[in-house]
Amino acid sequence: AQRVTQPEKLLSVFKGAPVELKCNYSYSGSPELFWYVQYSRQRLQLLLRHISRESIKGFTADLNKGETSFHLKKPFAQEEDSAMYYCALNSMGGGNKLTFGTGTQLKVEL
Amino acid sequence: GAGVSQSPSNKVTEKGKDVELRCDPISGHTALYWYRQSLGQGLEFLIYFQGNSAPDKSGLPSDRFSAERTGGSVSTLTIQRTQQEDSAVYLCASSLGFPLEGYTFGSGTRLTVV
Repeated sequence: AQRVTQPEKLLSVFKGAPVELKCNYSYSGSPELFWYVQYSRQRLQLLLRHISRESIKGFTADLNKGETSFHLKKPFAQEEDSAMYYCALNSMGGGNKLTFGTGTQLKVEL
Repeated sequence: GAGVSQSPSNKVTEKGKDVELRCDPISGHTALYWYRQSLGQGLEFLIYFQGNSAPDKSGLPSDRFSAERTGGSVSTLTIQRTQQEDSAVYLCASSLGFPLEGYTFGSGTRLTVV
């Protein structure tokens, strides 16, 4: 069965500091991974997909199959990055649905 | 519509009553998903529709939960004989057919069972 683990419920960093939100997954096949973000009083929205190898709002995430990880990183945190971040896994054998982690609340302090 | 619309946005109900939650997906999105968001639990998958059929309803917690989709569009999630543990935010999302395209989420229905 597929599983997504986000070990940190809360991550607090100072503005300008680097950010790394951890995500590990468990899946025997070829995974497709995503990061979703929910800002205060807003809807959950897609941040980035590993297949796109894109950088969105300064965030990047690299799939490491050896470590089964997909950590989200940003070199310099901004106050507007404060939000809830969810890592998600699509497993084709899982019926084309996303399995989400429990989320990490990022708080960027001034 | 321009986005995924869910109604009601808030629902307070008494234990034992039935509730219906509605989701109106983006026009043309063939896939529709229901999730439940509880504090500390992340997003729990409930059911997935492709068109009007539900290939995966493995996440429905009990037979008190059911969902349907008609016309390949609007979906209704029904919870019968609500219990306090059903209190959560119920999220609906739609996509063009596969999660690779990314889900578009609604704003959710906050259900409180008292």
